[in-house]
Amino acid sequence: GQQVMQIPQYQHVQEGEDFTTYCNSSTTLSNIQWYKQRPGGHPVFLIQLVKSGEVKKQKRLTFQFGEAKKNSSLHITATQTTDVGTYFCAGHKAAGNKLTFGGGTRVLVKP
Amino acid sequence: DGGITQSPKYLFRKEGQNVTLSCEQNLNHDAMYWYRQDPGQGLRLIYYSQIVNDFQKGDIAEGYSVSREKKESFPLTVTSAQKNPTAFYLCASSTRDNRGETQYFGPGTRLLVL
Repeated sequence: GQQVMQIPQYQHVQEGEDFTTYCNSSTTLSNIQWYKQRPGGHPVFLIQLVKSGEVKKQKRLTFQFGEAKKNSSLHITATQTTDVGTYFCAGHKAAGNKLTFGGGTRVLVKP
Repeated sequence: DGGITQSPKYLFRKEGQNVTLSCEQNLNHDAMYWYRQDPGQGLRLIYYSQIVNDFQKGDIAEGYSVSREKKESFPLTVTSAQKNPTAFYLCASSTRDNRGETQYFGPGTRLLVL
């Protein structure tokens, strides 16, 4: 079945530094979504990428969808303590198919 | 987020007991989902429903049951057959728009077996 893997599982970042987390699918995806879950909270939708090679930015967050539509990345610049949480990627294999979530990257920020 | 409610926030279950978790949405979404999240882990799909009176098993359906008699409601029953039910249960709903299918999550229910 379809598998979505995220690396790293944990990311310890010094406040002010940049980091990137990666999402890889075993199959081609029709789209990729990213969610953020704060500690003790629930996942909240951040963004969706649909086109091959697509890049979208949200303030200090940059999201990219790979050319083959099998991988994605999230890059955060100048990390802040508000960035703490778990970032999940999730993808649809095809239209109408259920969403498959990756295992998440847990981000801890050192002040 | 917003428009999806789950109750209770915390639930304690005795061994051998069935419990039902509530999920209600007023977003007029057709599809609803139940996920299980264990500490430090990702989301695993238990059941999902694309339309009223229809639902499908997800990846870990054993020991759980659902119903979808109303569009707004998708309750999840954790039966005594689920041997390790302690977890964080998240309900979500979704609709398709020009952005695709975005899932909106409720605040979750934390279930603890005594």
